[in-house]
Amino acid sequence: DQQVKQNSPSLSVQEGRISILNCDYTNSMFDYFLWYKKYPAEGPTFLISISSIKDKNEDGRFTVFLNKSAKHLSLHIVPSQPGDSAVYFCAARKYSNYQLIWGAGTKLIIKP
Amino acid sequence: SAVISQKPSRDICQRGTSLTIQCQVDSQVTMMFWYRQQPGQSLTLIATANQGSEATYESGFVIDKFPISRPNLTFSTLTVSNMSPEDSSIYLCSVEASGISHDQYFGPGTRLLVL
Repeated sequence: DQQVKQNSPSLSVQEGRISILNCDYTNSMFDYFLWYKKYPAEGPTFLISISSIKDKNEDGRFTVFLNKSAKHLSLHIVPSQPGDSAVYFCAARKYSNYQLIWGAGTKLIIKP
Repeated sequence: SAVISQKPSRDICQRGTSLTIQCQVDSQVTMMFWYRQQPGQSLTLIATANQGSEATYESGFVIDKFPISRPNLTFSTLTVSNMSPEDSSIYLCSVEASGISHDQYFGPGTRLLVL
C-alpha cells in the first residue's frame, strides 16, 4: 500500500524554465509534507515543507503547493539551474508517530 | 543543523555474514532513525532508536535481522545480520531536526553490496 506516490520517475527541464514535481498521497493522517533533494552518494537534504493547514509555502526559488481536496502537492522550482539536477523525494509525516512516509523519487535533469 | 557521519561508507560482503553500520551525530538527539533504500526505490523506515529503550521496528523488519544499539544520545549502530543479496541497499541514519519544519537530517548513507 503506497501512501505517497511520485508517478514521474524522471523529468527533464531546460535551464531557466520552471520545474514542477508532483506528489500524491492517500492517507489523511499526515500533518506535514516535505521535499528532499538527493545527490548520488549523499543522504537526502531537506528543501522545504508545508503544514497540512496551509496551501502554499515559498522559500526563494522553491514553492510548494498543497491541494488537500485532491490529496496532491507539487514543488515548483523557478528558475531551474543546473545544480538542481538531483533526485527529489516527497515525504509525508504521520502526526501520530512522526514517521516519514516517502515517495519513490523523481530524477530531475536540468538541460543547459 | 546536525552533522551526521556514517561508517563504513560502502562495503562488499559475502552472503551469510553480518555488517555493523555506525552513525555518529555532532549533537545530542532523542530520536534516531534507520532507513533502507533499495535500488530504484524510496526510503523505507527500518526502526526508530531512542536512547535508553528498545528500538521500535516497522512492519517487515525484526530485531534478529537488524539489531540496533543506542548507547548514548549521539551514537547508534545498525547490524545487518546473516546477509543475503536482497539486503544490498543503501542504509541511512537520520535525526529529527528541531524547529517548525519537522524535517530530518540524514547521514551520507552506507552502500552495501552482498554477493
